[in-house]
Amino acid sequence: EVQLLESGGALEQPGGSLRLSCAASGFTFSKYAMSWVRQPPGKGLEWVSTISNSGAATYYADSVQGRITVSRDNSKNTLYLQMNSLRAEDTAVYYCVVSTVTYFDHWGQGTLVTVSS
Amino acid sequence: EIVMTQSPATLSVSPGDGATLSCRASQSVRSNLAWFQQKPGQAPRLLIYGASTRAAGIPATFSGSGSGTEFTLTISSLQSEDFAVYYCQQYNNWPRKITFGQGTRLEIK
Repeated sequence: EVQLLESGGALEQPGGSLRLSCAASGFTFSKYAMSWVRQPPGKGLEWVSTISNSGAATYYADSVQGRITVSRDNSKNTLYLQMNSLRAEDTAVYYCVVSTVTYFDHWGQGTLVTVSS
Repeated sequence: EIVMTQSPATLSVSPGDGATLSCRASQSVRSNLAWFQQKPGQAPRLLIYGASTRAAGIPATFSGSGSGTEFTLTISSLQSEDFAVYYCQQYNNWPRKITFGQGTRLEIK
């Protein structure tokens, strides 16, 4: 069974940094692209970033380009999201998502990031 | 950026009835369209991909159709567990520039 467990969400001040993690199990992590999708409280879904299976290629939404870095450690079956220069509009639940049979077919339960002074 | 527009924003339907949700893309996404269901406090769940293929474990009461810019999710004979928010998503330029619709809330009438 595919399992994705996010962690690292917290209350952080504007301008601060956070690193989110996603521990994966139940599938061959190194074979599949991974993504982050976020959802502000009470609002819709926004794709944030995708990383290729090897980690060699990364892709970002315009809203986070230059402030957020996605990475992965295939030896640890773990996905990361380094978030810098945090803004109030980054407040959201961040979901880790894997694309196996098709795109975005398994989601974690999410971790909440709150940016506020 | 491809803008996805869902309608209606809220749909009120009686249990046992059917429901039709719409999604329009600002430019053609061919059949690169998915539908997700999200219940309160839960992560989204993939229902449909490739515009019309049901994901694993999704009942036949859910069906998707369309291509290009116009898409439909049809739910037949609504059960209590089907009342949720539904999102469409285009992945025509995977893995770049993926966008979601704003969602349709399906509520009990």
